[in-house]
Amino acid sequence: QSVLTQSPSVSGAPGQRVTISCTGSSSNIGAGYDVNWYQQVPGTAPKVLIYGNNNRPSGVPDRLSGSKSGTSASLAITGLQAEDEADYYCQSYDSSLSLWVFGGGTKLTVL
Amino acid sequence: QVRLVESGGGVVQPGRSLRLSCAASGFTFSSYAMHWVRQAPGKGLEWVAVIWYDGSKKYYADSVKGRFTISRDNSKNTLYLQMNSLRAEDTAVYYCARQNHDYGNAFDIWGQGTMVTVSS
Repeated sequence: QSVLTQSPSVSGAPGQRVTISCTGSSSNIGAGYDVNWYQQVPGTAPKVLIYGNNNRPSGVPDRLSGSKSGTSASLAITGLQAEDEADYYCQSYDSSLSLWVFGGGTKLTVL
Repeated sequence: QVRLVESGGGVVQPGRSLRLSCAASGFTFSSYAMHWVRQAPGKGLEWVAVIWYDGSKKYYADSVKGRFTISRDNSKNTLYLQMNSLRAEDTAVYYCARQNHDYGNAFDIWGQGTMVTVSS
């Protein structure tokens, strides 16, 4: 069981908006540690999409956005495209475990 | 071009050892903390270990503590993971990743991964 909880799957039609949630606790997200989001296309290495809760690296489209509130964080994708179909992971730091943690991952299916 | 390239994976029997390497290029390797992250077949990402930029601090996931050792050679721009007493549950793709303080300490660069299979 992951320290950060994500829904196993989410789906949406092209052009729609989807959100992927990541629930933590008072020792990680709730303690103020940043949340980062990664996209992984099967068979390839993960790629950072959002860092520091809501910042996009250059090259990541602005239809992707991140937010954080309390002990949870979310990744929103608007204008869904076929190329968005992938696995998405949240990541943070946990002070009680003194280690870096990932969510269990959410598989996004574009219908 | 900023790049990380892992090597050293393979098939190994339970209880044996293996050493992974991660060669860095295109950036000042000695300025960054480096991590190992693994992914078992069909599973999610699992953080394994971190080493500070100067090698002064190392931390491990409970699942590998006492069996795995992370190290680095900044003169060779190379990160290592010595894996001893391997178990079937260590079977995974192992990625090295750079932690970037300019990116909220996110893992901004990843290698392509190297597969480790522990099987008799």
